Amino acid sequence: GENVEQHPSTLSVQEGDSAVIKCTYSDSASNYFPWYKQELGKRPQLIIDIRSNVGEKKDQRIAVTLNKTAKHFSLHITETQPEDSAVYFCGSGGGADGLTFGKGTHLIIQP
Amino acid sequence: DAGVIQSPRHEVTEMGQEVTLRCKPISGHNSLFWYRQTMMRGLELLIYFNNNVPIDDSGMPEDRFSAKMPNASFSTLKIQPSEPRDSAVYFCASTRTVNEQFFGPGTRLTVL
Repeated sequence: GENVEQHPSTLSVQEGDSAVIKCTYSDSASNYFPWYKQELGKRPQLIIDIRSNVGEKKDQRIAVTLNKTAKHFSLHITETQPEDSAVYFCGSGGGADGLTFGKGTHLIIQP
Repeated sequence: DAGVIQSPRHEVTEMGQEVTLRCKPISGHNSLFWYRQTMMRGLELLIYFNNNVPIDDSGMPEDRFSAKMPNASFSTLKIQPSEPRDSAVYFCASTRTVNEQFFGPGTRLTVL
């Protein structure tokens, strides 16, 4: 089955700085890579996703890059703000199939 | 739309008891997923359905776990008998084909 590795497990950055979270996957047939944000006690919510025919996607302060050859993708958050503090999960899958998630990254924004 | 609805939100039970978790997907979504979240193992896919048919249940930990989807608007995840190691948050999610999965609020299960 699919295996997704996510790093780092914890990331602390100063407010205003950038944060980068990286994931690798094993199944070359995977073609859908979402990122979810989960605040404490809440449900995971999609913040951005990318499909295998695209190398990069941006939405305001967040961006995702995908390298299909190397089987890795990354989440970039610029100009971090206190409300960005949460756990972020990367996922890998085939669209309507179930997703395999990374173990999560606890992002801490230091004031 | 109210989003994905799960019940109960919290469940505390004793070891050996039967537990039934319920999920109502978003109307019009044809895929439904059950996930389990723990600190140690993160978010794990247990089973998913397409058009009410179970497609992949390889994530179901053991025979004590079973899931059904009798119609497009309702699914259950049953644990019988429950054990303390089943304590976790169980999420249900739904989607239209090839789109974002929308998660429900989750059920926090504690087995004493």
